[in-house]
Amino acid sequence: QSVLTQPPSASGTPGQRVTISCSGSSSNIGTNYVYWYQQLPGTAPKLLIYRNNQRPSEVPDRFSGSKSGTSASLAISGLRSEDEADYYCAAWDDSLSGVVFGGGTKLTVL
Amino acid sequence: QVQLVESGGGMVQPGRSLRLSCAASGFTFSSYGMHWVRQVPGKGLEWVAVISNDGSYKYYADSVKGRFTISRDSSKNTLYLQMSSLRGEDTAVYFCAKTGGTGWYLPWFDPWGQGTLVTVSS
Repeated sequence: QSVLTQPPSASGTPGQRVTISCSGSSSNIGTNYVYWYQQLPGTAPKLLIYRNNQRPSEVPDRFSGSKSGTSASLAISGLRSEDEADYYCAAWDDSLSGVVFGGGTKLTVL
Repeated sequence: QVQLVESGGGMVQPGRSLRLSCAASGFTFSSYGMHWVRQVPGKGLEWVAVISNDGSYKYYADSVKGRFTISRDSSKNTLYLQMSSLRGEDTAVYFCAKTGGTGWYLPWFDPWGQGTLVTVSS
C-alpha cells in the first residue's frame, strides 16, 4: 500500500489529453513539492516534472503538473504512442522523514 | 554529461551482506545529495535512503533501517549502499539517483543510474 495514491491505469487515444492524479496528505503533498517520473519499459525512470509544475528543458511542453491542497495531477496533452509508460509521483513526507512514491499509473495509448 | 553507473548486484543468500556502488561522473559529486531507490521487477518504486552532499546526514526507509547503510566517498566520486541481514523481500533492482537543485533530501531524482539487480535467495 503506497502512501501516495495513484490510479493503477489510464488510457487515451493519440491526440487526446489525459490526466493522472496523485493523492496524499498534509505531511507530504500538502506541505512539500511533488515530482513526477516516467518509466518506459525496461528503462530507468526519468524526471518529468519537479517542484509541482516545473519541466526540465528536455521534456516536451505536452507534459504539465499541478498541485492543489493534498493532491497533484500530471496532464499529458496531444497523446503520442511513445508516451505509453508507467508514471510515478513522489514527495517528501515530514512525518516519515522519507520519500514516498505513488504506486504508479500504467498509461496505455489505444 | 552526468552519468551514474551502479555495480555490485548479484545473487546472495538470506542473512548475508552485499555492497552496491554507484560511480558518478560529469558533475561535482560533493555538491549534491544522493539517493538509492529500488524496484521489485514488475512492481513500483520504493525509496531506500538518502545522504547529504557531505555525508553528514542520512535518512532511511523504515523497511531497511538498521540493516542498510548509505555512504559516499567524494575522493572516488562513488556512492555506496551496504546491505546486511538481507531478506527475500530485498530482491529488487537498485537505482542510484542524484538530487537536482537545492534541498539535498528532496525526491528530485535527476538523473538515475541504469540499476543493478539484487536477488536474495537460498
